[in-house]
Amino acid sequence: GQNIDQPTEMTATEGAIVQINCTYQTSGFNGLFWYQQHAGEAPTFLSYNVLDGLEEKGRFSSFLSRSKGYSYLLLKELQMKDSASYLCASLMDSNYQLIWGAGTKLIIKP
Amino acid sequence: DAGITQSPRYKITETGRQVTLMCHQTWSHSYMFWYRQDLGHGLRLIYYSAAADITDKGEVPDGYVVSRSKTENFPLTLESATRSQTSVYFCASSSSGQGGYEQYFGPGTRLTVT
Repeated sequence: GQNIDQPTEMTATEGAIVQINCTYQTSGFNGLFWYQQHAGEAPTFLSYNVLDGLEEKGRFSSFLSRSKGYSYLLLKELQMKDSASYLCASLMDSNYQLIWGAGTKLIIKP
Repeated sequence: DAGITQSPRYKITETGRQVTLMCHQTWSHSYMFWYRQDLGHGLRLIYYSAAADITDKGEVPDGYVVSRSKTENFPLTLESATRSQTSVYFCASSSSGQGGYEQYFGPGTRLTVT
């Protein structure tokens, strides 16, 4: 099957750093997306990685290792508004579909 | 207003009834998608469309029908609603289906089937 795995829930402290991991099936892989979804709202795009390495975008960075089938989203200087679910999704080259993980609920504590 | 909109935002219907969820986008994006989101599952693709009059099944198409006569509209019809179709439905659009083109999501429709 085409599985994407990410932790169900994580807790972190305001001002700290948190890393959310995602593993995916490497066969047919063509890119990895991260989306943020606040409760009761639609997902919004955060990042896209297709090559190995780290992509930094302000407080958020995303890393990809194609050979290991592994990605992470790194959030720095956590703010209360970062409390949300973070969705990992892989793009397969056989079609235009994204395969989505179930999401990681991130809880930020003061 | 520009963007992607869905209607209705909330719907309660009875088992066996036909229900149509509407999706409209103003960007002239070629690709449009319908997802359902349930607790414990990732977003699951129901149907997608690469252009007007071109649609294809996703992961969970059974019980659903789509059409796309115009680029901007992509309605989703539940032919005979069942309780298992109680979910939050998201429509999304993208300028391309390939590469790193992000999908833009509508606000969602929360559907309850009683």
